[in-house]
Amino acid sequence: QKEVEQDPGPLSVPEGAIVSLNCTYSNSAFQYFMWYRQYSRKGPELLMYTYSSGNKEDGRFTAQVDKSSKYISLFIRDSQPSDSATYLCAMIGFTDAGGTSYGKLTFGQGTILTVHP
Amino acid sequence: DADVTQTPRNRITKTGKRIMLECSQTKGHDRMYWYRQDPGLGLRLIYYSFDVKDINKGEISDGYSVSRQAQAKFSLSLESAIPNQTALYFCATARGETQYFGPGTRLLVL
Repeated sequence: QKEVEQDPGPLSVPEGAIVSLNCTYSNSAFQYFMWYRQYSRKGPELLMYTYSSGNKEDGRFTAQVDKSSKYISLFIRDSQPSDSATYLCAMIGFTDAGGTSYGKLTFGQGTILTVHP
Repeated sequence: DADVTQTPRNRITKTGKRIMLECSQTKGHDRMYWYRQDPGLGLRLIYYSFDVKDINKGEISDGYSVSRQAQAKFSLSLESAIPNQTALYFCATARGETQYFGPGTRLLVL
């Protein structure tokens, strides 16, 4: 079983729709939860970053973390064609008693999103 | 993002050849990483380095080696390329828990 599971899609929605992207994970040591966006032929770029459980909002984007269910979500409101990309969830866990993470990201498989006009 | 550059951007090679992928950064970050991306598998960590003298294996290091020539340079080598190493390779640097990725190198091993 993969540590992080993400529905690869593809997901196709009309412009203006609300998009929900989700990941589940099995490692309870994960503390930092991120969403990266990757445009075609580009490297991933950090979109949202959340520490532990809770919600975080940034413009049209909202990230939610539910550690009790080991489930994270990214919501995109009023989706635009420019949001068309692959969205990757990623997580970091602490690897020693001192709380050092060493920055080792564990990624989901990525969800391909297309927003059509 | 021009702060992290990778060369070459595309490479076709034959089975058994040794090749090197290069990564340079102008961000001044100490931590650097090499990942490969395959359809349906996401990004997987090959090697990571916290400084010039500290290099560590990731989850899929077999068949690969790395060299940290300077703080700004981190190279990935395939000693004897095989077809299942065909993938998209990314270099990344890190500050805090945020990683900054290069544009990637698309490698095809025939």
